[in-house]
Amino acid sequence: AQSVAQPEDQVNVAEGNPLTVKCTYSVSGNPYLFWYVQYPNRGLQFLLKYITGDNLVKGSYGFEAEFNKSQTSFHLKKPSALVSDSALYFCAVRDWGGGATNKLIFGTGTLLAVQP
Amino acid sequence: GAVVSQHPSWVICKSGTSVKIECRSLDFQATTMFWYRQFPKQSLMLMATSNEGSKATYEQGVEKDKFLINHASLTLSTLTVTSAHPEDSSFYICSARDGLSPVDYNEQFFGPGTRLTVL
Repeated sequence: AQSVAQPEDQVNVAEGNPLTVKCTYSVSGNPYLFWYVQYPNRGLQFLLKYITGDNLVKGSYGFEAEFNKSQTSFHLKKPSALVSDSALYFCAVRDWGGGATNKLIFGTGTLLAVQP
Repeated sequence: GAVVSQHPSWVICKSGTSVKIECRSLDFQATTMFWYRQFPKQSLMLMATSNEGSKATYEQGVEKDKFLINHASLTLSTLTVTSAHPEDSSFYICSARDGLSPVDYNEQFFGPGTRLTVL
């Protein structure tokens, strides 16, 4: 069965410092991985995805993620955090068991708090 | 970019009434739409997948007769919570897949969500 794990409920970082939000995955097929961000009382916004190709994926708002096959990880990173980056971040993986339905399986989310 | 809207953004209703939530893809054709439910400080739980012109596929444990989904056109899907009760209070989010996007790439675009409160 496909799954993603976000081991940290919350990550605290000072503004200007680099940030990392962790995600590990387990899939039976090719790992199609995604990161989404959710601001309070809002839907999810797409940040980036890994389908194939370079292991370092660049996305929106200066975020990037590194796909590591040996460690089955897809950590989200940003070199310099902003207070406005404070939000809930979700890692997701394509559910290959769903056939052509394109279901996504979401992690439990990590709350990023950036202190000024 | 692809935009998905939801209406209403929030709704308060009395127990026993039905509530309809609309999900629209504004600038693309959504062959598939998904409905999620999110409890406070929790992840998204997929409720059902709907394909235009066919019956929705519900996830295990989701009551079909309680959460009616209609995907009558390529730009509109509706979720009706029938005979709502306080335990149905939640944040409901829809997403839509661009019909022109490669199937495997999972290009899903999310709506802003609807906050349902049942008194």
